[in-house]
Amino acid sequence: EDKVVQSPLSLVVHEGDTVTLNCSYEVTNFRSLLWYKQEKKAPTFLFMLTSSGIEKKSGRLSSILDKKELSSILNITATQTGDSAIYLCAVPGGGGGSNYKLTFGKGTLLTVNP
Amino acid sequence: DGGITQSPKYLFRKEGQNVTLSCEQNLNHDAMYWYRQDPGQGLRLIYYSQIVNDFQKGDIAEGYSVSREKKESFPLTVTSAQKNPTAFYLCASSIGGGMPYNSPLHFGNGTRLTVT
Repeated sequence: EDKVVQSPLSLVVHEGDTVTLNCSYEVTNFRSLLWYKQEKKAPTFLFMLTSSGIEKKSGRLSSILDKKELSSILNITATQTGDSAIYLCAVPGGGGGSNYKLTFGKGTLLTVNP
Repeated sequence: DGGITQSPKYLFRKEGQNVTLSCEQNLNHDAMYWYRQDPGQGLRLIYYSQIVNDFQKGDIAEGYSVSREKKESFPLTVTSAQKNPTAFYLCASSIGGGMPYNSPLHFGNGTRLTVT
């Protein structure tokens, strides 16, 4: 059975801090890993990673995949209160090899205090 | 603007009643999904559909049913057989076309269902 584990499950920081969120996975036939940000309702797409060692960056957020370690990290530098959200990690491919099944981790709840 | 519309935002039902959650998309996506989110549980897949008139069970399909008669629409019915129906339900879509691992999901704003 495919598995995605995120850590920590929750994190409280002060504005300006840098945070690193972790995601590890066990999945048959790995294709990609996705990060989403969920503030109150709809998760919004952040990054899709397919190649090991290549950093994807968007403003203060960046992410990198390590296929050897079966993991990914999401970095947020100079955090702001608007970064407070649940960050979800997901990999496609369920039991039986379906690429349509996206398996999600439980998420990391990030709280940024002013 | 293209997107996914879920309705209603909040739904209250008595135990023993079936209820249907609406999901409509105008993104011209082939694939659509229903997820359930409980506090501390992440998102769990209920049903998904790759094309019209076809759908498959996800990890927690018991007590739920779906239909996919039109490309744009993928309604979810929560039946009285679902033991713990109170949750936040998210509908999503993706381009599909045989390479869903290459196309991120787009989510609706969710429906919060409370059953008492």
